[in-house]
Amino acid sequence: GESVGLHLPTLSVQEGDNSIINCAYSNSASDYFIWYKQESGKGPQFIIDIRSNMDKRQGQRVTVLLNKTVKHLSLQIAATQPGDSAVYFCAEKGRDDKIIFGKGTRLHILP
Amino acid sequence: EPEVTQTPSHQVTQMGQEVILRCVPISNHLYFYWYRQILGQKVEFLVSFYNNEISEKSEIFDDQFSVERPDGSNFTLKIRSTKLEDSAMYFCASSLAVSSTDTQYFGPGTRLTVL
Repeated sequence: GESVGLHLPTLSVQEGDNSIINCAYSNSASDYFIWYKQESGKGPQFIIDIRSNMDKRQGQRVTVLLNKTVKHLSLQIAATQPGDSAVYFCAEKGRDDKIIFGKGTRLHILP
Repeated sequence: EPEVTQTPSHQVTQMGQEVILRCVPISNHLYFYWYRQILGQKVEFLVSFYNNEISEKSEIFDDQFSVERPDGSNFTLKIRSTKLEDSAMYFCASSLAVSSTDTQYFGPGTRLTVL
């Protein structure tokens, strides 16, 4: 069935280090994936997306990697900053127009 | 930068009462959505709306729920008789199109508390 999940509920990273947040999905027919950032009291904010015909996509300080063989998605944040503290969700755009969210990883930035 | 707005930010109601959550999608967007997030859990799809009708709904979106676009700017979610388990954050989203790669932009949410 369609489902998206994350490996870890929380991740602590030293400020300035790179963060890697992982996600596993189960629907091999999924063809579009999105990473959202949710700060406390706010709605999900689009970060970056990737289509299934790509392995890697880069944005500003963020990179998404897609491994279709093992159905794994990751978000890499370079030089993590205090403002990166949030819950990060991977999500799948289903066969129709709804987005299916995973459970989220809370990223803590250590000073 | 255009954004989705939602009112109120927090709604407290008694069980059994009707509530209406309001959203103003991004002005040139054509597709509208409601999602909810129970505290500590993941965001769940409720309903999508296009051309003045529901295009898809989840099993959560039962007969107690309805959506409406009463004018050219507002998009509302009505819960007819609220239950305790309806307490959650409700997010409105909109997108320009519904292609598989079209981004949905989310509002800040309305926190609904049912007592």
